[in-house]
Amino acid sequence: EAEVAQSPRYKITEKSQAVAFWCDPISGHATLYWYRQILGQGPELLVQFQDESVVDDSQLPKDRFSAERLKGVDSTLKIQPAELGDSAMYLCASRAPASGNTGELFFGEGSRLTVL
Amino acid sequence: AQSVAQPEDQVNVAEGNPLTVKCTYSVSGNPYLFWYVQYPNRGLQFLLKYITGDNLVKGSYGFEAEFNKSQTSFHLKKPSALVSDSALYFCAVRSNNAGNMLTFGGGTRLMVKP
Repeated sequence: EAEVAQSPRYKITEKSQAVAFWCDPISGHATLYWYRQILGQGPELLVQFQDESVVDDSQLPKDRFSAERLKGVDSTLKIQPAELGDSAMYLCASRAPASGNTGELFFGEGSRLTVL
Repeated sequence: AQSVAQPEDQVNVAEGNPLTVKCTYSVSGNPYLFWYVQYPNRGLQFLLKYITGDNLVKGSYGFEAEFNKSQTSFHLKKPSALVSDSALYFCAVRSNNAGNMLTFGGGTRLMVKP
């Protein structure tokens, strides 16, 4: 069964350092999402891509976060510099191209970030 | 703005008993509603969705959910709980006229005891 791949699964870093997360969506899924999930809360959308274009990054803290999907396939989410409040699970998800607004999201296993 | 409320942080149920996890929503336009399950240190897994049609939706692992438009609710149910159902459950909503943004509730932890 096709899956959304994410790496690393776990990342511990010190504040002010740079950190990057990688996501490879299910093959053929043009829509890709990055969510942040703080412990004990629901996921919150950071950025949405349609192919290589950003559709929605209104909740992305652009002073320190950046995301790219240069070839419209895999994606990287970067944080620089990391702050203590960035400790969270970063989830990548993709959606099948023909499903539109009715389609469910397929999530990766997530990347858990701990900032010390 | 659209929103989802899951009023219970935790639901406790004995194995074999029926379970209900509550969800209410607020959107403009018609809602598309989803339930996801999350096991510890894992991503979210899709359980079921309501788009249109029959108000009772059946999904994975014996779960079902009932859409109630007048009460703006989409409660998750299962007739007989298993210990392995213990996990974190998230309700989510997307409006048919608000682009593709999917909004999640805060989650409900389900504990099924033997």
